[in-house]
Formats: sequence, structure tokens, C-alpha cells
Amino acid sequence: QVQLVESGGGVVQPGRSLGLSCAASGFTFSTYAMHWVRQAPGKGLEWLAVISYDGTKTYYADSVKGRLTVSRDNSQSTLFLQFDSLRREDTAVYYCAKDTVVTTRTNWFEAWGQGTLVTVSS
Amino acid sequence: SSELTQDPAVSVALGQTVRITCQGDSLRSYDATWYQQKAGQAPILVMYGKNNRPSGIPDRFSGSTSGNTVSLTITETRAEDEADYYCNSRDRSGDLVVFGGGTKLTVL
Repeated sequence: QVQLVESGGGVVQPGRSLGLSCAASGFTFSTYAMHWVRQAPGKGLEWLAVISYDGTKTYYADSVKGRLTVSRDNSQSTLFLQFDSLRREDTAVYYCAKDTVVTTRTNWFEAWGQGTLVTVSS
Repeated sequence: SSELTQDPAVSVALGQTVRITCQGDSLRSYDATWYQQKAGQAPILVMYGKNNRPSGIPDRFSGSTSGNTVSLTITETRAEDEADYYCNSRDRSGDLVVFGGGTKLTVL
């Protein structure tokens, strides 16, 4: 079955950078767009970014554009997120999510990881 | 601020029908998707496209659209349906995704 496992969360100081990974299994990773979504404590879901199935296209939410870089390694079925200049308000659980339609970007996220908590604090 | 608007909280009596709504201008052009998130868990997809349910989602869940408003209707509501429900769709450009603020469903 589809499995997404995020890693890399932890405590990071404001202004520093952080890298997250999402290891995928149970499906042909190289044929699906992938998304990152976060959820601040007690708050709602916030979409952050999407990367196309082949990694050639990325789109970012305005709130994180310029600080966030998403990439993927299809040979390793792994999705990455690099977040720079972290702020306290970036404290959240970060989820990776699998798109639903082969080779197409949609807003249908049919599988989610369990999330990894990032805490930005000095 | 979110371009999709949801009521923060809705309650329903056990066994009754409840409608959760999501409103936004982009919904006139793009389909909405619905997610259910129970406390301490990751969200799961419950409705996508034009009233499509993923496998495993009971047919008590249905979706509808009217103008700039989409609705998720749950019939014969069970205690296990108590959760936060989020809609999402595309933004006006079509390139980005936006979520509604979420609706907390309480089953009485």
C-alpha cells in the first residue's frame, strides 16, 4: 500500500535552515506530482508547494515563496523540502502528500504522511 | 488569508444529516476536494472531483456544488464522523492550491 514517511523535523533556531525528506513506497513515485502541506499547532491546513512528477516544475504558496525549495529524487522515491530563514511562525507539522492523477497536478491528495514536527525556537 | 471560507464549527445530532460548506470565487472554475482530519491524525481524502469518493469512504458522504459554494453532506451521521473537515481547490491562477480554514464537526 501507499506509504509516505517524513523525516528531518526537530527544533531549529530562527533564521536557520532546515531540510525535510519524504520517503515514498507502494506506488510508482516517478509518475505522480507531490505536495507539501503544513499545520501550525491548533490551526488549519496550509498548502505550501507542489512539484511535478518529473521535477521540472514547482509552484509555491506566496507565504513561503523565496524561502522554500522543493525537489525530488525519483531514483530514490524521495521528496525533499529545504526551508531557509525560518521564523517562529513556521512552527508546524509538515506533511507530504501524493497527488491522485498520474503525471497531472491536481488538488486531490489521496495519501498523506504522518507528518514531522518543526519547532522554530531559540 | 484563505480564499476559501468555511464555517468554523458545525454540530449535528447522532443519526441526522449535516452539510458542511465551502465558499470561494475560484470554486466557479475549479472543483473542490474534501479532507477529514481526526484529532492527532493526518488528513484523509473523503471527496474529490465531481462527487467522487475514494475507496473505503462510505456512501453516507456526498458532495455538491452551487455557484461559488461546494458542500459536503453526511447522512446518518455517526460518532466516528466527528472530525475537522477541510476543503481545498485551486486559486484563481489555477497553479496554486488553497485550503479553507476548516470546519470542526461535533456529533451530539
